[in-house]
Amino acid sequence: NAGVTQTPKFQVLKTGQSMTLQCAQDMNHNSMYWYRQDPGMGLRLIYYSASEGTTDKGEVPNGYNVSRLNKREFSLRLESAAPSQTSVYFCASSRSVLSGNEQFFGPGTRLTVL
Amino acid sequence: GENVEQHPSTLSVQEGDSAVIKCTYSDSASNYFPWYKQELGKRPQLIIDIRSNVGEKKDQRIAVTLNKTAKHFSLHITETQPEDSAVYFCAASKDSSASKIIFGSGTRLSIRP
Repeated sequence: NAGVTQTPKFQVLKTGQSMTLQCAQDMNHNSMYWYRQDPGMGLRLIYYSASEGTTDKGEVPNGYNVSRLNKREFSLRLESAAPSQTSVYFCASSRSVLSGNEQFFGPGTRLTVL
Repeated sequence: GENVEQHPSTLSVQEGDSAVIKCTYSDSASNYFPWYKQELGKRPQLIIDIRSNVGEKKDQRIAVTLNKTAKHFSLHITETQPEDSAVYFCAASKDSSASKIIFGSGTRLSIRP
């Protein structure tokens, strides 16, 4: 099993450009998440999907959109990138969104917006 | 909403000594407290967790304690080794149909040889 995979690993964008970060999991998990990690600020939840067909906002959703394409895949889209979106993005999945379920993280995407 | 504070932000200990990282949370309804370890350039991985119905949990050199009254919990690493060098994150969540884990800001632990 590959676990949680993300593409791309690195990306450089210019201000105003758009892009989609892809995430897939092969653990048959119901819930998936997108986080951003900035120095000194830990992991902050952008959006999550409790189950296929549902998505909800997290702590910092502004400037992002998500799509739960199917049970395996959860994508994050930046419509008009800004320098403040320079960060490392992690996708994660868990069996359930209920408390107590371990989250498994992908390898991350390092995004730089110039 | 829930707020998780973590201290210290950096910690340096001599190899073989113990390390303690502390976290406080604000929502008294939180009932699940995981700890994640992130090595340099790698993804976060769960190392230990505790639920609110127990006060302490151990796994070899790692232990977590929980004080529900004071709303704080701690990670204890004994007999530290070089491979313990990493960033450690505490987190808190509660039972609900839309539960979200809130992470602390992280502690960078360095083990001096």
